[in-house]
Amino acid sequence: DGGITQSPKYLFRKEGQNVTLSCEQNLNHDAMYWYRQDPGQGLRLIYYSQIVNDFQKGDIAEGYSVSREKKESFPLTVTSAQKNPTAFYLCASSIDLRRKNTEAFFGQGTRLTVV
Amino acid sequence: RKEVEQDPGPFNVPEGATVAFNCTYSNSASQSFFWYRQDCRKEPKLLMSVYSSGNEDGRFTAQLNRASQYISLLIRDSKLSDSATYLCVVKTLGQNFVFGPGTRLSVLP
Repeated sequence: DGGITQSPKYLFRKEGQNVTLSCEQNLNHDAMYWYRQDPGQGLRLIYYSQIVNDFQKGDIAEGYSVSREKKESFPLTVTSAQKNPTAFYLCASSIDLRRKNTEAFFGQGTRLTVV
Repeated sequence: RKEVEQDPGPFNVPEGATVAFNCTYSNSASQSFFWYRQDCRKEPKLLMSVYSSGNEDGRFTAQLNRASQYISLLIRDSKLSDSATYLCVVKTLGQNFVFGPGTRLSVLP
């Protein structure tokens, strides 16, 4: 089955540590995205990538980093510079940013908690 | 003004009721419109795309008014399983998806 896989589902991080969240898709989509969702809040864009080896900052990129070395993979690193990292992280993909009426597909999310 | 705004909710309705959600967007260049459903602690899933002429999928009807920059979702004959948060999503060609804050619906027995 085609889809987006995020891992792990739950992640605990000590303060001051960097952690990396995995996102893999086998939908052959060009565009991939990372969102953060806080309780009772909407989705906020962290980073997005339209093509391999290219990515752009979203609205709340500070304290995060990404890479896009392969079309299928778009890992997100939450660095120690991110002051309030506890949140629900969602990875998504779409065929192409430039196409009309193509929806975003989401992974199941990673719930990150700082302990 | 936020790019996408929705009814604040929550909406608490009895089973069988008809409920309507409203959404407004600020970017007049927006070209693609969607309604997503998000269950508690789960990922958003596409409910339906919204087309210029309006479209229906079973009990769900979506409408788009480009002149007023307004999108609506109507749910008829509400079921308990319709309880979720409904997200209005707008996209401009070449740009990212912009999500509204969501409206929570609880269908009560």
